[in-house]
Amino acid sequence: GQSLEQPSEVTAVEGAIVQINCTYQTSGFYGLSWYQQHDGGAPTFLSYNALDGLEETGRFSSFLSRSDSYGYLLLQELQMKDSASYFCAVDTGRRALTFGSGTRLQVQP
Amino acid sequence: GAVVSQHPSWVICKSGTSVKIECRSLDFQATTMFWYRQFPKQSLMLMATSNEGSKATYEQGVEKDKFLINHASLTLSTLTVTSAHPEDSSFYICSATPSGTSYEQYFGPGTRLTVT
Repeated sequence: GQSLEQPSEVTAVEGAIVQINCTYQTSGFYGLSWYQQHDGGAPTFLSYNALDGLEETGRFSSFLSRSDSYGYLLLQELQMKDSASYFCAVDTGRRALTFGSGTRLQVQP
Repeated sequence: GAVVSQHPSWVICKSGTSVKIECRSLDFQATTMFWYRQFPKQSLMLMATSNEGSKATYEQGVEKDKFLINHASLTLSTLTVTSAHPEDSSFYICSATPSGTSYEQYFGPGTRLTVT
């Protein structure tokens, strides 16, 4: 079966740095994506890693280690608007995504 | 960026009736669209893969006769929830990937279905 594990909740203060980890066990692996979802809204794409290493996009960075079946999303200079749920998702080769359970990030002033 | 729309954004229906949800890619063509379901405070679960011009591929445990999917054109896929029951109440979200890109999926705004 497929499983992706993430912490259920993370709390941090404005301006801080937070790391959300994701470990996965899937039958196939083409890449690890990260999505942000605000309450009542649709998921929006943040980043994608197909190869080992760090990808940086503005305040957000994502890391992948395929040998460890592990990745993380790093959010820097946290802002209140970053309060949302963050999902890691694996493309197992069918282009459809298998999502992790989601991490609810609460940014406090 | 690519835009995906869904209609309606929310719907309330009575138990036993059918509801149709539309998913459109507004500025790109999508030979494949995906339908997900999300219960409150839970993750997105893939229901089915919608293929233009052919039958949808359903995930294990999803009743194909209950959740009818039609991919009539390269920009439109519909999900019909037949004989809806209260346990079908959920947030239904579609997504699509523009041709030529391999990984970034664009999600519709979702449809909140409440069955009374």
